[in-house]
Amino acid sequence: EAGVTQFPSHSVIEKGQTVTLRCDPISGHDNLYWYRRVMGKEIKFLLHFVKESKQDESGMPNNRFLAERTGGTYSTLKVQPAELEDSGVYFCASSQDEAETSTDTQYFGPGTRLTVL
Amino acid sequence: LAKTTQPISMDSYEGQEVNITCSHNNIATNDYITWYQQFPSQGPRFIIQGYKTKVTNEVASLFIPADRKSSTLSLPRVSLSDTAVYYCLVGPFNQAGTALIFGKGTTLSVSS
Repeated sequence: EAGVTQFPSHSVIEKGQTVTLRCDPISGHDNLYWYRRVMGKEIKFLLHFVKESKQDESGMPNNRFLAERTGGTYSTLKVQPAELEDSGVYFCASSQDEAETSTDTQYFGPGTRLTVL
Repeated sequence: LAKTTQPISMDSYEGQEVNITCSHNNIATNDYITWYQQFPSQGPRFIIQGYKTKVTNEVASLFIPADRKSSTLSLPRVSLSDTAVYYCLVGPFNQAGTALIFGKGTTLSVSS
């Protein structure tokens, strides 16, 4: 079974440009999460999708970030316009919505390293 | 979600058993304890999860005392490839959609 994949693995852009990150969750996983680690900080939650619906976007830093999950499969995270402080590693994770008695395990992708110059 | 406290770093040698303890004094009744491992340039990888007593899988064991205010991740006979950052997380992980809150983790360095 393929794991969570993310594209690109690295992206270098200039301040003010736009970048779109993509995440393909594990097939059949309804839950999809975005996290990020900015330089020297801990990994922080950004938002959570259940299928195509945003359930929790409390961690989104500002309106320059837009996440979508059309059709409930892959997700994109667009940063427009990018700022220097957006540099970091963006992780995607997915989990299967199992029975209530099961625990929810999130499986992470390798991350996209974003550098804004 | 309950705050966790774990050592910043630990050193070990190959073949030794490593125990990493995590404190979570404010753990709630419906909270589970989960440990993730992260290698450089990779995403966090789920290791083990438990609610109480002891849980064991092919990778590690998790010991949770009766008061659940702490837990210990035990890695038997570590190798160089176990060098990584280990995160202890606490939350209602029986519910999908729980945002994981990562701390600084414990950086384990294994030497030969």
